[in-house]
Amino acid sequence: DAGITQSPRHKVTETGTPVTLRCHQTENHRYMYWYRQDPGHGLRLIHYSYGVKDTDKGEVSDGYSVSRSKTEDFLLTLESATSSQTSVYFCAISEYVESYGYTFGSGTRLTVV
Amino acid sequence: GENVEQHPSTLSVQEGDSAVIKCTYSDSASNYFPWYKQELGKGPQLIIDIRSNVGEKKDQRIAVTLNKTAKHFSLHITETQPEDSAVYFCAAYSGAGSYQLTFGKGTKLSVIP
Repeated sequence: DAGITQSPRHKVTETGTPVTLRCHQTENHRYMYWYRQDPGHGLRLIHYSYGVKDTDKGEVSDGYSVSRSKTEDFLLTLESATSSQTSVYFCAISEYVESYGYTFGSGTRLTVV
Repeated sequence: GENVEQHPSTLSVQEGDSAVIKCTYSDSASNYFPWYKQELGKGPQLIIDIRSNVGEKKDQRIAVTLNKTAKHFSLHITETQPEDSAVYFCAAYSGAGSYQLTFGKGTKLSVIP
């Protein structure tokens, strides 16, 4: 999607290893979000950021941490990956949520074996 | 916090027929309601939205209606085509410093040629 890039697109990792997913935006939007998508659960918010170094937890934050040291980058870290974290992860950005909603990235498919 | 219920979870229609997806929300302060379409292997994409001061909005074959009194809103797709097959998500924004959308769990729409 224009202005937002997720990397990697696919990753297979072993249980117990740390994993970092990256979201990069070129839109200079203030808000950034990490969601996970699983069958039957829709989109669940993991963490979000409302500015550089300003982050907060979502509904499924256990086992995840985030960092935002620059406006354009929002990193999601799985501290010690578990099989229950196998999922598709989406990053989203927004400047005015109440007017334009979000723009989503293309997603990262993570498999923990 | 806000809670959004979406129905049905799956919907099959014949090509050319209409499709309707309904959502209800719990927070009467919610004032912005976007709809997203997610095609296979892609991130959700905004297709239409409506604000609380408007009762209906149309964009070609898609329309959204909002009933603030009943706290529900609906997506209407007319003259469905196979390329309308996707997962659709409704969302609500309640503001008050939440910085985030609350999503329904999604509806998988299948248009049968």
